Amino acid sequence: QKEVEQDPGPLSVPEGAIVSLNCTYSNSAFQYFMWYRQYSRKGPELLMYTYSSGNKEDGRFTAQVDKSSKYISLFIRDSQPSDSATYLCALFSGGYNKLIFGAGTRLAVHP
Amino acid sequence: DTAVSQTPKYLVTQMGNDKSIKCEQNLGHDTMYWYKQDSKKFLKIMFSYNNKELIINETVPNRFSPKSPDKAHLNLHINSLELGDSAVYFCASSQGSLRVGNQPQHFGDGTRLSIL
Repeated sequence: QKEVEQDPGPLSVPEGAIVSLNCTYSNSAFQYFMWYRQYSRKGPELLMYTYSSGNKEDGRFTAQVDKSSKYISLFIRDSQPSDSATYLCALFSGGYNKLIFGAGTRLAVHP
Repeated sequence: DTAVSQTPKYLVTQMGNDKSIKCEQNLGHDTMYWYKQDSKKFLKIMFSYNNKELIINETVPNRFSPKSPDKAHLNLHINSLELGDSAVYFCASSQGSLRVGNQPQHFGDGTRLSIL
């Protein structure tokens, strides 16, 4: 079993839709939870990070962490074609001392 | 203005050759990384340096040798290139040491390595 599981998609939605992206993980030692966005032929850029269970909102983006279920989500409201990218979850624990990335979910938002 | 810059962007070479990829960051960060992203987009850390000192060395063939002449530069040298080395290699940097897990990592745009 991989440490972090993420459905690679692709996920295709119409403009304006609410998008839900998810990752599950197996090790309860993970402490920090991040979402990176990667456009084609570019490097990943940090979108959101959270430490505790609960929700964190930033504009149209909401990151949600449920440590008891070992499940993290990223919601995108009012999705735009410019949101079309690959979204990678990334988790950190002091024990591993490195970021563990999910495989990434490819999202396409069509006008 | 580029925060983390890698050169070259594309590298096409023959099996068995030796090549280097350079990385520079102008963010004043203390920690730099090399990642490998395979064809399935899976991003995996290879090395990490903090203030020129190697702190992470994953299970990477010793044909790969990182070199950090100063904390703003982390280069990757690869000997005897193999077909399986074809991938996108990303350099990244972050503030502080890796143990501070909430420091965001800033990535370069990658070097696309193709082995013929």
